[in-house]
Amino acid sequence: QKEVEQDPGPLSVPEGAIVSLNCTYSNSAFQYFMWYRQYSRKGPELLMYTYSSGNKEDGRFTAQVDKSSKYISLFIRDSQPSDSATYLCAMSAGYSSASKIIFGSGTRLSIRP
Amino acid sequence: NAGVTQTPKFQVLKTGQSMTLQCAQDMNHNSMYWYRQDPGMGLRLIYYSASEGTTDKGEVPNGYNVSRLNKREFSLRLESAAPSQTSVYFCASIRAGTSTDTQYFGPGTRLTVL
Repeated sequence: QKEVEQDPGPLSVPEGAIVSLNCTYSNSAFQYFMWYRQYSRKGPELLMYTYSSGNKEDGRFTAQVDKSSKYISLFIRDSQPSDSATYLCAMSAGYSSASKIIFGSGTRLSIRP
Repeated sequence: NAGVTQTPKFQVLKTGQSMTLQCAQDMNHNSMYWYRQDPGMGLRLIYYSASEGTTDKGEVPNGYNVSRLNKREFSLRLESAAPSQTSVYFCASIRAGTSTDTQYFGPGTRLTVL
């Protein structure tokens, strides 16, 4: 079983819709949760960063962490065609340089104009 | 400020050939990482260097070697390439040490081994 599971999609939604992306994990030691966005043929870039449980909002993006269920989500409001990309969840047990970050396999998202 | 740069962008090798992937960062970051990305597998850590002069194995180190040449540069070497090493390779760096530090990724090297 993978430590981090993520539905690969593809997920296609119309412009303006609310998008929900999710990951589940098995390692209860994870405390730091991240979402990366990766455009085609580019490196991943950090979107959201959350510590422990709770919600974090940044513009149209909201990250949620439910440690009791080992489940994290990324919501995108008022989705735009420019949001079309692959979204990778990632998590870590610590924040030192030796702390390994485990990535999900990514969900490919397409926003239809 | 170029961030993280990688060379080459593309490479085709024959089985058994060797090559070195180069990575450099100009952000004065302490830690550097090499990942490979395969369809359906996400990013998997090959090797990392917590600081200049140190390197450690990640999740999939077999068939690779690394060198942390100085604080800026971290290279990945394939001594005898195999088709299973066909992948996209990403280098990343992080200042490290606080909970708000984030990883910055390079644009990737697309490697095909025939």
